[in-house]
Amino acid sequence: AQKVTQAQTEISVVEKEDVTLDCVYETRDTTYYLFWYKQPPSGELVFLIRRNSFDEQNEISGRYSWNFQKSTSSFNFTITASQVVDSAVYFCALSETSGSRLTFGEGTQLTVNP
Amino acid sequence: NAGVMQNPRHLVRRRGQEARLRCSPMKGHSHVYWYRQLPEEGLKFMVYLQKENIIDESGMPKERFSAEFPKEGPSILRIQQVVRGDSAAYFCASSGPLNTEAFFGQGTRLTVV
Repeated sequence: AQKVTQAQTEISVVEKEDVTLDCVYETRDTTYYLFWYKQPPSGELVFLIRRNSFDEQNEISGRYSWNFQKSTSSFNFTITASQVVDSAVYFCALSETSGSRLTFGEGTQLTVNP
Repeated sequence: NAGVMQNPRHLVRRRGQEARLRCSPMKGHSHVYWYRQLPEEGLKFMVYLQKENIIDESGMPKERFSAEFPKEGPSILRIQQVVRGDSAAYFCASSGPLNTEAFFGQGTRLTVV
């Protein structure tokens, strides 16, 4: 069975601070995919990133970066120089294949205060 | 992900009524997934369908809930005799046939009064 744990229920930071959202996963599959989604107050789900289990390179996209550590089954997400518009619920998710059902974590509510 | 269309965006039903949620996948996508997000919770998988077939319904409640994805037209998630506990956001996602990534619609927010 697959499981995703986001231990941080809520995080509150002040604008321009860096913030890291933790994600730990469990799976017996040797091939799997990891995702991060953003859910702003408007409610839609915004895709942020997909990584497969064979690619452990860290990735940076603007102020966003992701640290995939297979040894600790973690896929953490860092926002550098946070902004108020980053306030949202962030979900980490896991799937056996890229197009298959996703197992989501419970989400982390990030609030960035001005 | 704007290509996955869900309607209605908001639906209000009285207890005991039926709710029908529609999902039109992105063009070229033949795989549809439904997820439910209860208030203050993460998304939970409900059902996975391909055209005219239910592939995995392990997340569907045993009673009152059904889903279909006909040869023509959108996928439908149907909830009969709704109860207050069915109030949630229901998201649909679609993907292509070759292990491609799934894209989400904007969700339907069901409120049972």
